[in-house]
Amino acid sequence: GENVEQHPSTLSVQEGDSAVIKCTYSDSASNYFPWYKQELGKRPQLIIDIRSNVGEKKDQRIAVTLNKTAKHFSLHITETQPEDSAVYFCAARAAGNKLTFGGGTRVLVKP
Amino acid sequence: KAGVTQTPRYLIKTRGQQVTLSCSPISGHRSVSWYQQTPGQGLQFLFEYFSETQRNKGNFPGRFSGRQFSNSRSEMNVSTLELGDSALYLCASSLRGGDEQFFGPGTRLTVL
Repeated sequence: GENVEQHPSTLSVQEGDSAVIKCTYSDSASNYFPWYKQELGKRPQLIIDIRSNVGEKKDQRIAVTLNKTAKHFSLHITETQPEDSAVYFCAARAAGNKLTFGGGTRVLVKP
Repeated sequence: KAGVTQTPRYLIKTRGQQVTLSCSPISGHRSVSWYQQTPGQGLQFLFEYFSETQRNKGNFPGRFSGRQFSNSRSEMNVSTLELGDSALYLCASSLRGGDEQFFGPGTRLTVL
């Protein structure tokens, strides 16, 4: 089955700096890669997703890149703000299969 | 449009008991997935239901079971509870299953 590894497990950045979280997946058939943000005590919420026919996608301060050959994808957050502090999860899914999550990255943005 | 709801929000049970959790998806969504979230293990997939049929199943023992009703509402049951079953149980709904999943607030289960 699919295996998703996520790094780093914790990330501390200064407000205004960029944050990068990287994930690798094992199933070459995976074609859907969402990223979720979970604030303390709240439910995970989708912040951005990408499909395998696209190499990069941006939404304001966040962007995701996908390298199908290397089977890895990354989340980039620019100009970080204190409200970006949360746990971020990457995930991967092949058509008809379950969504497999990475282990999560705890991001702390220091003011 | 109302979001995904889960009941109850909190549960305290003792070892050996059984528990049933409920999830109501967003109106029109036919796929419901269940996850167990613990501090050490992250989000672990339990099962996915689509149009009342189990479509995918995770690596959990048979004590964990689920079902989906014709109105897409889903329940999961855990029998013979163990201390290690203490976790936040999240359900998520999506239109067809291969698209964006919307999570509910979760049910926090504590097993004493």
